[in-house]
Amino acid sequence: ILNVEQSPQSLHVQEGDSTNFTCSFPSSNFYALHWYRWETAKSPEALFVMTLNGDEKKKGRISATLNTKEGYSYLYIKGSQPEDSATYLCVLIGGADGLTFGKGTHLIIQP
Amino acid sequence: EAGVTQFPSHSVIEKGQTVTLRCDPISGHDNLYWYRRVMGKEIKFLLHFVKESKQDESGMPNNRFLAERTGGTYSTLKVQPAELEDSGVYFCASSQRGNYGYTFGSGTRLTVV
Repeated sequence: ILNVEQSPQSLHVQEGDSTNFTCSFPSSNFYALHWYRWETAKSPEALFVMTLNGDEKKKGRISATLNTKEGYSYLYIKGSQPEDSATYLCVLIGGADGLTFGKGTHLIIQP
Repeated sequence: EAGVTQFPSHSVIEKGQTVTLRCDPISGHDNLYWYRRVMGKEIKFLLHFVKESKQDESGMPNNRFLAERTGGTYSTLKVQPAELEDSGVYFCASSQRGNYGYTFGSGTRLTVV
């Protein structure tokens, strides 16, 4: 069973500040890693698919990096806005197309 | 292309009753996953089908839960008998074999009273 750790579990950030959080995973048996944005009662929204060591991806104010050798991915949000409040999920794709979910980082942007 | 569809979108049942949830994956997607989010807790994986075969059902909480995917198309998840702790949102996702793009359904919100 793969162990995907996300930290912190929850995070309060002042509007306008930048923030980042982490997804850690075993460096072996890695195929791909997804970041999702999740709001309660909605489907998770795919943000990034990360596959290669050193990947850096950006979508608006949100960006992500991947280090498969040391087993972590960072998600960065620049200039946080209230609409960024959500749970951010890290999902590890392992062998046989298996999915392992992290527990999520619950982000609250305070005006 | 049509997305992953789930129904019902909401279900309220009494403890002890039976409920069947359905997931229609994107046509041609061999991989189908069920998972759920219980109120206030993390999203948990339930099981993974590859076509009609159960690839991994390690996340199924107990034998009150039965998932099927006859013919490798849509899948059903039956809860019998339902308990209060089964309340939550049940999601389904699908993908093509070897493709890391997963499409999620909108979920079924199950409330057991």
